[in-house]
Amino acid sequence: QVQLVQSGAEVKKPGASVKVSCKASGYTFTNYDINWVRQATGQGLEWMGWMSPKSGNTGYAQKFQGRVTITRNTSISTAYMELRSLRSEDTAVYYCARGERGSHWGPGTLVTVSS
Amino acid sequence: DIQMTQSPSSLSASVGDRVTITCRASQGISNYLAWFQQKPGKAPKSLIYAASSLQSGVPSRFSGSGSGTDFTLTISSLQPEDFATYYCQQYNFYPFTFGPGTKVDIK
Repeated sequence: QVQLVQSGAEVKKPGASVKVSCKASGYTFTNYDINWVRQATGQGLEWMGWMSPKSGNTGYAQKFQGRVTITRNTSISTAYMELRSLRSEDTAVYYCARGERGSHWGPGTLVTVSS
Repeated sequence: DIQMTQSPSSLSASVGDRVTITCRASQGISNYLAWFQQKPGKAPKSLIYAASSLQSGVPSRFSGSGSGTDFTLTISSLQPEDFATYYCQQYNFYPFTFGPGTKVDIK
């Protein structure tokens, strides 16, 4: 069965970086894009960017341009989302999702930014 | 960017009720519209894609319709496990964008 397993919760200080991983199983990793979405506590869903695991092509929401990088390691079917220059407003749960339709989602990774 | 709106923002309903949620896009998105259900503390779950196609394993009481700018999600007979927040998302143009959500709670 399709599964996306994400790395564990992180606590970071303002100005630091965080890298969240998303390991795919149960399907051919390179056949579906990976999208990253975040959700602050009590708020809605916010799309951050996408990556094609096959080509490595990426695209990011304007809001995160210059601060976010999505990469992958196809040998271990894992996608990564790195967010830099963290601020308190980046405290949120970060999700990876399979495909443009979001057919399957990871469980989420809580990133807390606090001094 | 395409703006997605949803109405209502919240609703109270009883088990067995028919529930309809509306989603509107600020410009035409053909049928590139997905619906998700989210329960507290959980990841979103895919319900509908391509505006009206039911995701595998999703009960048939869920249905979607629409094309262009106006879309609806209908739950034909609300069940206890359906109390949740529902989001629409367009995936026709980058950046993908979500509606603000509709919270369905118990009357």
